[in-house]
Parts: sequence; C-alpha cells; structure tokens
Amino acid sequence: NAGVMQNPRHLVRRRGQEARLRCSPMKGHSHVYWYRQLPEEGLKFMVYLQKENIIDESGMPKERFSAEFPKEGPSILRIQQVVRGDSAAYFCASSPNRVNTEAFFGQGTRLTVV
Amino acid sequence: AQKVTQAQTEISVVEKEDVTLDCVYETRDTTYYLFWYKQPPSGELVFLIRRNSFDEQNEISGRYSWNFQKSTSSFNFTITASQVVDSAVYFCALSESNRDDKIIFGKGTRLHILP
Repeated sequence: NAGVMQNPRHLVRRRGQEARLRCSPMKGHSHVYWYRQLPEEGLKFMVYLQKENIIDESGMPKERFSAEFPKEGPSILRIQQVVRGDSAAYFCASSPNRVNTEAFFGQGTRLTVV
Repeated sequence: AQKVTQAQTEISVVEKEDVTLDCVYETRDTTYYLFWYKQPPSGELVFLIRRNSFDEQNEISGRYSWNFQKSTSSFNFTITASQVVDSAVYFCALSESNRDDKIIFGKGTRLHILP
C-alpha cells in the first residue's frame, strides 16, 4: 500500500483559505476513492472517481468540496473556504478496478484548520 | 442498510496475551467483502485481510487469525502472543458487491499492548 502517494502529509490552513490534497494512485490503478477520518472516528467515504469521471460523490459535502481525477496527473480533493470542522485526516485509496478486489490506502493528509 | 459495529472501543492487554477484536456487520447482500485494517500511531492504514462472503474458512497469518461466521454476521480478529508493536487502532470494514464504490468502516478498536 506504500504505492499510493498522498501529499502533503500535513497541511495547515487558516479559516477561509483553500486546501488542495493530492493522491497519486498505484501504477496501473484507474480507480480512486477519498475518505475522511474525523478525530476518534472511523473512515467515511467521500467520493469515488475513475479517470476523468466522478462515479459516486454521495459522501461529499454539497458545498466547498470538489474532487477530480484528470487524464494525466494525480487526483485532487479541493476544499474551498476551509472551516475548523474540516480538520481531519483525508485518505485516498486506489484499486485496479472494483474496490472489492483490493483497496490500498495512502498515508493520508492531515489537515488542520486554524 | 450496511453497517459495521465494533463494540470494543478500547482494549488493553499485557504483552504475550492473546486478544480478540470483535466485528459484527449488517448487509442485505448475499455477496460482500469484509476487511480488516490496522492504523498504527503513525497514522497510515495497513491492509490486513479481505474475505468474500462465500469463503467462510478461517484464516491464519502468523500470529493473526480471523474467524468468519455468517450465522452470526461476525468477522472477529485474534492476535496470538501479542506484542507491543501490535498497539494500534484496528478497523473492520464491509463492501457490498453491488455497491462497488465504497467501503463502510466500523469506528475502530484501539488496542494497547502493555509491556
């Protein structure tokens, strides 16, 4: 699972700023999933993307959050006008096809909003 | 609706003791997958195992073993002869075959192995 690369590992943003979290999937994986882990909680699904397509964004907050997975480059989770409640660990997982085969997670990005 | 319950919030055992982490799941699907992940203090998620619903064989990997019982909808995880390095948060998770877009996680069990 070390093959899924997330950066940065730690990100500090002031309230109102934008946060951009990057996820490079494992080689050969075209499916990417983003999860959020609030303090002392389990992970909660946010969004599932394939190259250039959002497949399921049912776990994404309706406002301020967006995700993309372009044809070239990493997947990006973007949070606009961050608030304190956005402070969490954000994990990305990648899979060669369906999530039921294998899902390998990156090391996460810990976002702190001050 | 799918749901994963890890009733044990926190467990402490002395090194070398055996410990079992409980996991109970709910699903309406007949085909589904169950996972266990380890999250050490450093924060990353380490994949431990994936089982599909048609394979009820228990699995052993070194000091780790898993007991899958469909009759009780449980997928328990046992660490034998625990070590301090086993201290972590352990998550049980479920994925349904007709909803291949997400894994549902339990809230985790924090395991402390005391020297």
